[in-house]
Amino acid sequence: DAKTTQPTSMDCAEGRAANLPCNHSTISGNEYVYWYRQIHSQGPQYIIHGLKNNETNEMASLIITEDRKSSTLILPHATLRDTAVYYCIVRPAMGNQFYFGTGTSLTVIP
Amino acid sequence: EAQVTQNPRYLITVTGKKLTVTCSQNMNHEYMSWYRQDPGLGLRQIYYSMNVEVTDKGDVPEGYKVSRKEKRNFPLILESPSPNQTSLYFCASSFRDRGHGREEGNEQFFGPGTRLTVL
Repeated sequence: DAKTTQPTSMDCAEGRAANLPCNHSTISGNEYVYWYRQIHSQGPQYIIHGLKNNETNEMASLIITEDRKSSTLILPHATLRDTAVYYCIVRPAMGNQFYFGTGTSLTVIP
Repeated sequence: EAQVTQNPRYLITVTGKKLTVTCSQNMNHEYMSWYRQDPGLGLRQIYYSMNVEVTDKGDVPEGYKVSRKEKRNFPLILESPSPNQTSLYFCASSFRDRGHGREEGNEQFFGPGTRLTVL
């Protein structure tokens, strides 16, 4: 299964867009990119997922490069409540296993 | 309210004393999974279940057992806990992906976590 690489930590000013990158250079054609986040030690929360097209929902936007080897999660107007660890996961369609990795710790600064 | 519940939330035990952490979901999800989370290692999958009576190993299954006798419940069993199983445990559930192209509704919902300490 494809693995992902994310920066260990990032800062973002409150009210600005937070752009969280993820590399998944070994992704296969049927593998989806998922993003979850975890606030403190709570259970992770689903954010968004996509295959090859860019996706947007009420929480975030997901931009996937044309070669699908990397993606960026965008939080358009970061708030203090967005401070969390963000996980980028690659998972095949009908895949049963999830590899969360260690994620990116995002700190939103007032 | 749709949710995944885990019990207990906190547990301190001693080496070798069998314990069970329960997980229950009320969303009629087919897929359920257990993870452990350790500092610097992120979340790692222990076991998962695609449906009743169907379970399979994840990344770190050693020292754990699971069962799926009912759709809503997926208990995690530690037959002989050891200190290296001290960790934060999460249960999750989702609908099973049916492979119809665009995945719909199979995001995982996580429980609140169980913090286990084995002395």
